[in-house]
Amino acid sequence: EVQLQESGPSLVKPSQTLSLTCSVTGDSITSGYWNWIRKFPGNKLEYMGYISYSGSTYYNPSLKSRISITRDTSKNQYYLQLNSVTTEDTATYYCARGSGTWGLDYWGQGTTLTVSS
Amino acid sequence: QIVLTQSPAIMSASLGEEITLTCSASSSVSYMHWYQQKSGTSPKLLIYSTSNLASGVPSRFSGSGSGTFYSLTISSVEAEDAADYYCHQWSSWTFGGGTKLEIK
Repeated sequence: EVQLQESGPSLVKPSQTLSLTCSVTGDSITSGYWNWIRKFPGNKLEYMGYISYSGSTYYNPSLKSRISITRDTSKNQYYLQLNSVTTEDTATYYCARGSGTWGLDYWGQGTTLTVSS
Repeated sequence: QIVLTQSPAIMSASLGEEITLTCSASSSVSYMHWYQQKSGTSPKLLIYSTSNLASGVPSRFSGSGSGTFYSLTISSVEAEDAADYYCHQWSSWTFGGGTKLEIK
C-alpha cells in the first residue's frame, strides 16, 4: 500500500525558512506526480505545487518566489522549502500523490506548522 | 487563475436524504475531483475525473458535470458522511472553498 509521511518542525519563526520532508513507501517517486497542499485555519485548502517523475516542478503562482520542491530518489523522499514565512503560512501541510487524471489518491497524515515569534 | 465556488457553504441533511453539492468554475474546465475531509483526518479522494468512484468509496456517492458546473450527489445520507467536501481541479491548481455537511 502507498503511504506518505510528512515530517518537519512544528514551529518556525517569521522570516525563517520552512523545510518539510515527505517520505514515500509503496511507490516510487520516479513515477507519477508528488504534491504539496496546505490547509489553513478556517479550512481553506491551497494547492502549493508538485514535483514530477522526471524532476520537473510546478509551483502555485501565489508562492512562486518563495517555494521550492526537490527530491532525493535514493531515499524516495521529496521536500518542500518555503522561504520568508509569515504568520499567514500557519497551516497543516500535506503531501499527496496524484495527477490530473486520477486525482490526489494518497495523502500523508499532515503536519501542523505554526509561524510565531 | 480559475476560481472554484462551492455551494452551499453549509448543508444540513437528514439521514436517508439525497443531497447535491455543487462546484462552479470561473472558466470551463474538463474535469473535477471531489474530496471528503473529516475532522482530524486527511482529505480522502471520493470522485476523480468528474464521475469516477475512487477505490473503496460507497456507491451512494456520485459525481457529474461539465464545463463550468459540477456536482457531487449522495443518494442516501448516512451519519458517517458528516464532513467537509471539496472540489479540486488539478490542472488549475485550485480547490473550492468547501461545503460542510451536517447531519440533522
